[in-house]
Amino acid sequence: DGGITQSPKYLFRKEGQNVTLSCEQNLNHDAMYWYRQDPGQGLRLIYYSQIVNDFQKGDIAEGYSVSREKKESFPLTVTSAQKNPTAFYLCASRSGTGSGNTIYFGEGSWLTVV
Amino acid sequence: QKEVEQDPGPLSVPEGAIVSLNCTYSNSAFQYFMWYRQYSRKGPELLMYTYSSGNKEDGRFTAQVDKSSKYISLFIRDSQPSDSATYLCAMSARAGANNLFFGTGTRLTVIP
Repeated sequence: DGGITQSPKYLFRKEGQNVTLSCEQNLNHDAMYWYRQDPGQGLRLIYYSQIVNDFQKGDIAEGYSVSREKKESFPLTVTSAQKNPTAFYLCASRSGTGSGNTIYFGEGSWLTVV
Repeated sequence: QKEVEQDPGPLSVPEGAIVSLNCTYSNSAFQYFMWYRQYSRKGPELLMYTYSSGNKEDGRFTAQVDKSSKYISLFIRDSQPSDSATYLCAMSARAGANNLFFGTGTRLTVIP
């Protein structure tokens, strides 16, 4: 089945450790995104990538890093510099820029800092 | 002022009721409007996508946009317990925009 696969679903991290969240899509979509969701704040854009080997910062990029070495994959690293990393992380993708091409989401990854 | 305002609820209705979910926004440039449904601990799934003002119907769901009032609505007819979820509105100024502006979501419970 086509879709966006995020892993792991649940992840616990000790303070001071980096952690990488995986996102893979088999939809042949060009653009990929990482959002963070916190209660009462809605979704906020962390990073996005429109093509391989290129990515742009979103509204809350500090403390995060990404790579886009393959069209299918857009991993997110939450670094120790991120001051409040506990959140629900959502990966998304979009097929094009024309009207009707909107963003589709994966199932999300829950990150808890312990 | 937030770009998009959405009443967080929670909203509880009996099965079979008509549900009205709403968002207001401040940016008159927004032209593309979306509604997503998000079940607990899941990713949002796209329900409706509309452009500019007017209505769009899909089964029990109707999306309505009033650009003059900067107000969008999602109506659910004959609500079912399976409709219990959080509903997020989202919008952008242009097609295929890389950054959507999201509401905070309204949590809906449909009671059998």
